[in-house]
Order: sequence, then structure tokens, then C-alpha cells
Amino acid sequence: NAGVTQTPKFQVLKTGQSMTLQCAQDMNHNSMYWYRQDPGMGLRLIYYSASEGTTDKGEVPNGYNVSRLNKREFSLRLESAAPSQTSVYFCASRTVYEQYFGPGTRLTVT
Amino acid sequence: ILNVEQSPQSLHVQEGDSTNFTCSFPSSNFYALHWYRWETAKSPEALFVMTLNGDEKKKGRISATLNTKEGYSYLYIKGSQPEDSATYLCASYSGTYKYIFGTGTRLKVLA
Repeated sequence: NAGVTQTPKFQVLKTGQSMTLQCAQDMNHNSMYWYRQDPGMGLRLIYYSASEGTTDKGEVPNGYNVSRLNKREFSLRLESAAPSQTSVYFCASRTVYEQYFGPGTRLTVT
Repeated sequence: ILNVEQSPQSLHVQEGDSTNFTCSFPSSNFYALHWYRWETAKSPEALFVMTLNGDEKKKGRISATLNTKEGYSYLYIKGSQPEDSATYLCASYSGTYKYIFGTGTRLKVLA
């Protein structure tokens, strides 16, 4: 039982490049989330998916797109990376009461 | 209060000291309050989920209380140990799939 997995763990992009962050959970949870974490700030919600087939914007969605591919997988795409998107990205899945977080992806945009 | 606020931002305590920190959250549309323990280079791990006014939860030397009417929760650590060093995050959940996180209290326990 791996819980929530994220790939890659680290990534360096040049401004304007695109990439997709992958997230998968094996706990059969309906809801999944993408957060970013920046120094001095709490976790900020980018997008969430309440259930398979639905996605909704969170607090900071600009510059990102998401896909809920199936119940297990929820990917985050940066179409044209900007230095302001340098951050640590966490995926999470949720039961009725608790969120379970993945190990994070550290992204640097130069 | 519209945001979740935690205090202090950071603190250092000596091994064996007891300590506590505060999480303030919007008391309207409250559904649940979550506490997480977050070690450096790892992901947040759930400590407590609290829903009822007056709730008290305990896990070993760590306990938490909840006041939903005034919108605050306290986290207590009794007899702090170096392995308690971490950032302690709280998050408010209003039942609409969204969580609002505080910025955390960074605890350093000195041996």
C-alpha cells in the first residue's frame, strides 16, 4: 500500500517550458488535491477534484491545468512555466475526515 | 477572522519542557479542524481531526483542544523531546472540499 505517490521528486525547468506533475493514490479516495507550498506561506490550494470526472479551481489556479484521469490519478500541468511557479508541490487525497499527502515535488523555474 | 492564523511562528524549547501553540480559525461555517505534523523534507502527517466544540484529543504526549464558538484550537506537547522538532500545521475545513491552512508553528527542541 503506497498511499499517495508523486513524480518527479525534483525538476528544473526553463521559463516557458511545460511539464506535468503526476500524482496517484491507491486508497480508493474520491477527492484529490494539488497544493503549493512557499516559504512563509501556508499550503495554498491550486486545484481539487471532488470525484472522478470533476475538477475545480482553488485559491491560486492561474498558470495551471489539471486532469483527473481516473479515480487513482490526478495530474497538474504547467503549460508555460514562470519563475513565480518555483515551489514545492504537494498532492493529497482525502477520506471523509483526513487528507493524506504525497512526498512532494520540488520545482525550480529559471 | 477570515484566515487561519497560527502563533507563535516559531519557538525553541529545552528538552523536557512543555509547550503549546495556538490556531485561530473562522468560527462561521466550521466543519472540522485538522492538526498536522510536518518534518523537514517530508510530507505533512495527520495528528488530529476535531469537529465538536470542547473536543479534546490526545496521542502520547501531544494533545489538542477545540473551541468552535470563539474559533481557536490549542496544541500541547508535554515533556518535549528532540524528535518533536517539526512544523505543526493546522487547517480549517468548512465542508466544501476546501481546506484553509495556517502557516505553521516551527518547533525546535534543544537537547
